[in-house]
Amino acid sequence: GQQVMQIPQYQHVQEGEDFTTYCNSSTTLSNIQWYKQRPGGHPVFLIQLVKSGEVKKQKRLTFQFGEAKKNSSLHITATQTTDVGTYFCARGAGGYQKVTFGIGTKLQVIP
Amino acid sequence: DTGVSQDPRHKITKRGQNVTFRCDPISEHNRLYWYRQTLGQGPEFLTYFQNEAQLEKSRLLSDRFSAERPKGSFSTLEIQRTEQGDSAMYLCASSLVEGNNGYTFGSGTRLTVV
Repeated sequence: GQQVMQIPQYQHVQEGEDFTTYCNSSTTLSNIQWYKQRPGGHPVFLIQLVKSGEVKKQKRLTFQFGEAKKNSSLHITATQTTDVGTYFCARGAGGYQKVTFGIGTKLQVIP
Repeated sequence: DTGVSQDPRHKITKRGQNVTFRCDPISEHNRLYWYRQTLGQGPEFLTYFQNEAQLEKSRLLSDRFSAERPKGSFSTLEIQRTEQGDSAMYLCASSLVEGNNGYTFGSGTRLTVV
């Protein structure tokens, strides 16, 4: 499957600042998933978005799926040091599709 | 522990040797996936199973790689005649076919080929 593009690749923020990572596809996505991987750890599933224009929140994390289902974003409000890690968006899953990961955005939070 | 288990956690092998990794998925999950991850990259798909059937194998995967899931439960990934380029983290994940298709990953097997 085609990859999804993520920007930025790296982001350093001061603790308490907000953070956003963007995921873009050249083709329409059936759904998008987001994962977090802590340093030295394995990817952990955060959420799946399916509907056009969908917005979901998990505490300080807000996930959006674009109206055209070609892009998505993850926004973290008031970052904490526990938010450090790499955030991956991934296309696919469902039916006979497998999940295809982007390159990820590595977030560093400076205390 | 009801998560995905992988064994071993680390493997160092000499170039040319064969290695085999094992994955025990979450028991209720009927899909099992193998991914490979190198530093600074996202997980790269290798192959996946639904129950015991291998449904897809990456075209990038050399024929030195083979995976099995003989009874639809645990899976093994074998790499024959290892090369230095095979050094990576090998991740196993499992999921359900229906409903929330989020993957649960294991902690991975880190392979170093010297």
